[in-house]
Amino acid sequence: GAVVSQHPSWVICKSGTSVKIECRSLDFQATTMFWYRQFPKQSLMLMATSNEGSKATYEQGVEKDKFLINHASLTLSTLTVTSAHPEDSSFYICSVQGTLNEQFFGPGTRLTVL
Amino acid sequence: GEDVEQSLFLSVREGDSSVINCTYTDSSSTYLYWYKQEPGAGLQLLTYIFSNMDMKQDQRLTVLLNKKDKHLSLRIADTQTGDSAIYFCAESIIRDSSYKLIFGSGTRLLVRP
Repeated sequence: GAVVSQHPSWVICKSGTSVKIECRSLDFQATTMFWYRQFPKQSLMLMATSNEGSKATYEQGVEKDKFLINHASLTLSTLTVTSAHPEDSSFYICSVQGTLNEQFFGPGTRLTVL
Repeated sequence: GEDVEQSLFLSVREGDSSVINCTYTDSSSTYLYWYKQEPGAGLQLLTYIFSNMDMKQDQRLTVLLNKKDKHLSLRIADTQTGDSAIYFCAESIIRDSSYKLIFGSGTRLLVRP
């Protein structure tokens, strides 16, 4: 399957600052990527679908102006959490869609907002 | 509607078989998947099954699909302590003209030595 990396693996920031998380598909051309959020001991919550060269599709209840997604190439999608607040603290995971609609996941980024 | 349900917890002794169950609601799902998540890590695709299959075996893993009852199970033979993790089942659905995965809540498997 596809190998997916995320950077950084963890980040601590002050309230009000913006944080950018990168998701890279290392060996697969990723037309479609996804961003998820996971709270402790809970399942994954899909935030948005990221399509290369076009605007992301956000799930209901996810603020597109707060969670900016850019998918400018077939190997890179970025998620920027703007004006982060403590309630944005979470585990953010990206994935790459494969040829059988399966998804290959990155290792996740733990965001802590102080 | 879109809903995938799993039992929350399973404890087995090392060497025994583990069976993790899942029910889903979307009968049009083409593929169903099993993922494994270890603490602080992303999800690892374990196996998948096409909706027109009843069973798929891959080494220690056996997936059974009952499409009539919309029931999916994952059997792990000879369970090892390294199998301790959270297991998610997922169904593939079409929404907003693209395929998405709907995940269950995850089953925490604890393997006792």
